[in-house]
Amino acid sequence: DTGVSQDPRHKITKRGQNVTFRCDPISEHNRLYWYRQTLGQGPEFLTYFQNEAQLEKSRLLSDRFSAERPKGSFSTLEIQRTEQGDSAMYLCASRRQGAWETQYFGPGTRLLVL
Amino acid sequence: DQQVKQNSPSLSVQEGRISILNCDYTNSMFDYFLWYKKYPAEGPTFLISISSIKDKNEDGRFTVFLNKSAKHLSLHIVPSQPGDSAVYFCAASEFQGAQKLVFGQGTRLTINP
Repeated sequence: DTGVSQDPRHKITKRGQNVTFRCDPISEHNRLYWYRQTLGQGPEFLTYFQNEAQLEKSRLLSDRFSAERPKGSFSTLEIQRTEQGDSAMYLCASRRQGAWETQYFGPGTRLLVL
Repeated sequence: DQQVKQNSPSLSVQEGRISILNCDYTNSMFDYFLWYKKYPAEGPTFLISISSIKDKNEDGRFTVFLNKSAKHLSLHIVPSQPGDSAVYFCAASEFQGAQKLVFGQGTRLTINP
């Protein structure tokens, strides 16, 4: 049983650089979510895909953030011109479509912007 | 506007005793509630869930209770074990739309030997 995987697990970058994270969901899950968690807080929703369609984006997702899920399988989250405030844990989750289905999370990518 | 609240940042319990973690919510459209356990530098691990049509769900040592009128849920762990020491998050979602999870701030549970 393969769970949700994320790559890389850690990323250190300098302010102004672009970074890209990848998420591979559980294979039969057609819904994929990105969340961000900062210290002392619970995860906060960023965006959501059903198959390849991005159906909702949070106000937290500024113009510097873009997410894709080109073939309805893996997803990427790109942050352009990173800022120190982008430092956080970026979490990916997936689930089946339907009522009362559980979201399963990956291990996360910890981003540190210097 | 914090729609899901965990008012206890930390909880310390003796090994073998019961741990009770609490969660309150304000959005009456929430109809699915989940508890996740999180270790540092790892993603949240699903523990147990409950839908709005139930008031109790049990899985081994874990039981979740839902009081819809009070907009309150709780997680009971019996008996508590040292491996249960972690941060516990309560989360909720609506039936419609993205069904995204809204999380509380977490409660750090420490089980003392």
